[in-house]
Amino acid sequence: DAKTTQPTSMDCAEGRAANLPCNHSTISGNEYVYWYRQIHSQGPQYIIHGLKNNETNEMASLIITEDRKSSTLILPHATLRDTAVYYCIVRVPQDVHKFYFGSGTKLNVKP
Amino acid sequence: EPEVTQTPSHQVTQMGQEVILRCVPISNHLYFYWYRQILGQKVEFLVSFYNNEISEKSEIFDDQFSVERPDGSNFTLKIRSTKLEDSAMYFCASGGTGGSYEQYFGPGTRLTVT
Repeated sequence: DAKTTQPTSMDCAEGRAANLPCNHSTISGNEYVYWYRQIHSQGPQYIIHGLKNNETNEMASLIITEDRKSSTLILPHATLRDTAVYYCIVRVPQDVHKFYFGSGTKLNVKP
Repeated sequence: EPEVTQTPSHQVTQMGQEVILRCVPISNHLYFYWYRQILGQKVEFLVSFYNNEISEKSEIFDDQFSVERPDGSNFTLKIRSTKLEDSAMYFCASGGTGGSYEQYFGPGTRLTVT
């Protein structure tokens, strides 16, 4: 399995930015970083992915360090509905169609 | 916005029975997947399907499991003789091409084997 390390849980106040870190120190140059979230046993929801550059979409921003050994998912204005388990996944080129879900980070957004 | 749909949302079956879980992937996607999540555990890859054949499968996907795309829209997972340990959420996903291979998941089918 591609190795990522995430904190088990984090709290965030509603309306504030949520910054979710992920370490992937063994990442190779052609491996993408993906972020998904799962809200209470629903299907995992795709958020964003990136290779080297920072990425932004309507849901979040992804900041990848220059050495690519870590990344941060940023939810700019967290709402209660963002409470979920967030998964950072490194897609291994030889397993391009398999996503290995770890334990993720449980983000608790509090009023 | 197009999305993956799955039916039924909940299936209860007796041990030893056959079940078929159904999925309608996003219409222009070419890759199709099944994952499962046993209660309280991680989401696990089962199988990927492309061009009418299995492209990859995990150790979990043994001879009791099969997949099929019977027509241009449906994608099914069949469990031939269910066991208690097959009780789980089963998620279908689909993805396009283009190099990034993100997958879009359905809401899941909760399978309960009694």
